[in-house]
Amino acid sequence: EIVTTQIPVALSVSPGERVTLSCRTSQDVSDRLAWYQQKPGQAPRLLMYSASTRATGVPVRFSGSGSGTEFTLTISSLQSEDFAVYHCQQYNNWLGTFGQGTKVEIK
Amino acid sequence: QVSLVDSGGGVVQPAASLRLSCAASGFDFTNYPMHWVRQAPGKGLEWVALISYDGTNTFYTDSVKGRFTISRDNSKNMVFLQMNSLKGVDTAVYYCARGIVPERGGFYFDLWGQGTLVSVSS
Repeated sequence: EIVTTQIPVALSVSPGERVTLSCRTSQDVSDRLAWYQQKPGQAPRLLMYSASTRATGVPVRFSGSGSGTEFTLTISSLQSEDFAVYHCQQYNNWLGTFGQGTKVEIK
Repeated sequence: QVSLVDSGGGVVQPAASLRLSCAASGFDFTNYPMHWVRQAPGKGLEWVALISYDGTNTFYTDSVKGRFTISRDNSKNMVFLQMNSLKGVDTAVYYCARGIVPERGGFYFDLWGQGTLVSVSS
């Protein structure tokens, strides 16, 4: 099983700041990684797939990068509606695995 | 409007059964494999089960094999999760999710239901 790890578990950020979230996989998954945003009490929302392709309707302030085992999700200027938990998911092997999530909190 | 609406959760005792339902609308349901994904309290997401477009193939995470059954009714745009022999570790919010299969296989999820809470406790 490919283990997917997100660092940090939580971080405090001020509105307008740039945020970089990290996701690591225990094996090479090429670019086969997705990111999801989950607000309290809501279902996850697809943000990014193929590591760097924004899903429909996702603002351009969100960008994804990386390949192999190291991936990042960057929010160029954090808006109030961006405070949420962000999950990554590798889908290189049959049973895709999720990281434990990174919570972005208001500083 | 494209949506998935989950229902059927509740509070049950260990060893009990529960059937979750997911109603799809606004898209061609038969074009997509469907999944159940769960999230235990304070934990990350965990894929649970998959059913193919036509319902002929199903797959499960190891911890639910033999206890959970995923099914679908394409005439009603519905997907179900029959959960038997429930355990405390099955306590979670269960989400129905639409699967996307990229060219090189695997899957990710582009549409999610709102989730339904299953609580297993004596």
